[in-house]
Amino acid sequence: EDQVTQSPEALRLQEGESSSLNCSYTVSGLRGLFWYRQDPGKGPEFLFTLYSAGEEKEKERLKATLTKKESFLHITAPKPEDSATYLCAVQPGGATNKLIFGTGTLLAVQP
Amino acid sequence: DGGITQSPKYLFRKEGQNVTLSCEQNLNHDAMYWYRQDPGQGLRLIYYSQIVNDFQKGDIAEGYSVSREKKESFPLTVTSAQKNPTAFYLCASSKGVNYGYTFGSGTRLTVV
Repeated sequence: EDQVTQSPEALRLQEGESSSLNCSYTVSGLRGLFWYRQDPGKGPEFLFTLYSAGEEKEKERLKATLTKKESFLHITAPKPEDSATYLCAVQPGGATNKLIFGTGTLLAVQP
Repeated sequence: DGGITQSPKYLFRKEGQNVTLSCEQNLNHDAMYWYRQDPGQGLRLIYYSQIVNDFQKGDIAEGYSVSREKKESFPLTVTSAQKNPTAFYLCASSKGVNYGYTFGSGTRLTVV
């Protein structure tokens, strides 16, 4: 069964304290792995797509990496405005574009 | 600017009533999706449509219905058969396979 597990469930950081969020997955034929940011009461906002092991993407203080079993979202010197829930999703192989989501990591960055 | 519009933002329903959530996109995307989000759970797929006049059930379709008469529109009806409808509902669209989703801002449905 295709499955996505994110850890930790919640993370509290001080401003400037770097850390990583984990997304481990089991999927039949990974077509892509996606990271989203979600603010309270809003829809998820797209961050990155990774397609193959070894691939890396960066955007401001965020960097996403991918291996055959997991993905990491590295946050360097975070700021309070980085506080949000970060969602990971995988797209299995097949004819449809369905995404399977993890439960997310709630990140709080304190000034 | 292109995007997805969901309405209303908040919706209250009495038990036994059907309600319809609106989702409109002007991104010219072929595929559209409805997800439900509950606290502590990942997004769960309700229905999806890859092309006009065609749609498929997702993982939790019971008590819901959809239509796809126009490329731009994918309304979701929450029927009285849905036993636990209180949730945050998200609509999304995508260009197709290998592409991620663009999400709407969501509709929070509460049964009173």
